[in-house]
Amino acid sequence: QSVLTQPPSASGTPGQRVTISCSGSSSNIGSNPVNWYQQLPGTAPKLLIHNNNQRPSGVPDRFSGSKSGTSASLAISGLQSEDEADYYCAAWDGSLNGVFGGGTKLTVL
Amino acid sequence: EVQLLESGGGLVQPGGSLRLSCAASGFTFSSYAMSWVRQAPGKGLEWVSAISGSGGSTYFADSAKGRFTISRDNSKNTLYLQMNSLRADDTAVYYCAKGLAVAGTVIGGDYWGQGTLVTVSS
Repeated sequence: QSVLTQPPSASGTPGQRVTISCSGSSSNIGSNPVNWYQQLPGTAPKLLIHNNNQRPSGVPDRFSGSKSGTSASLAISGLQSEDEADYYCAAWDGSLNGVFGGGTKLTVL
Repeated sequence: EVQLLESGGGLVQPGGSLRLSCAASGFTFSSYAMSWVRQAPGKGLEWVSAISGSGGSTYFADSAKGRFTISRDNSKNTLYLQMNSLRADDTAVYYCAKGLAVAGTVIGGDYWGQGTLVTVSS
């Protein structure tokens, strides 16, 4: 049972907009920034979003992040086949632990 | 170009020890916190430990407290994870990651290594 709660799966067709939610608590998302990671099959995770809504250089602007209260969301617009991957949210927790969501498997139909 | 190269994984018996290393290059190592994140086969990501840029602050997941030690040698641009009293549920790919700042409160970061597999089995 992960501290941050994500839906196990999500799907969309090419060109669609998909959102993935991440629910936490006041001790983690409610008081610390959220990162989002993309993990393609067989590869290391890649940072997509940091500090709630900041994209590292090289990440397409189709990816965006937001946070409200104790929840965060990752939105992917103009869905592409290469976006098929696992997505994880992460945040620091007041218990001095880092915590990840359980991951969401995105399928492009 | 930032590069992180983990080593030290392998097969170990329950109760045994391993030391993982992560050799870093392409950035000012001492200016950034580093962390270890693991992924059990077929499972999600789990944060294990983090260390500040100076090495003065360290943090551990409850699953690692008392068994794992994180350290760094800024003169050698290398991060370490000493793992003792290993259990079957420590079996995972272990990734090192470069944090985005010097403070140690990091979960992953902007660059990751390719991972090293640790298998705990008799």
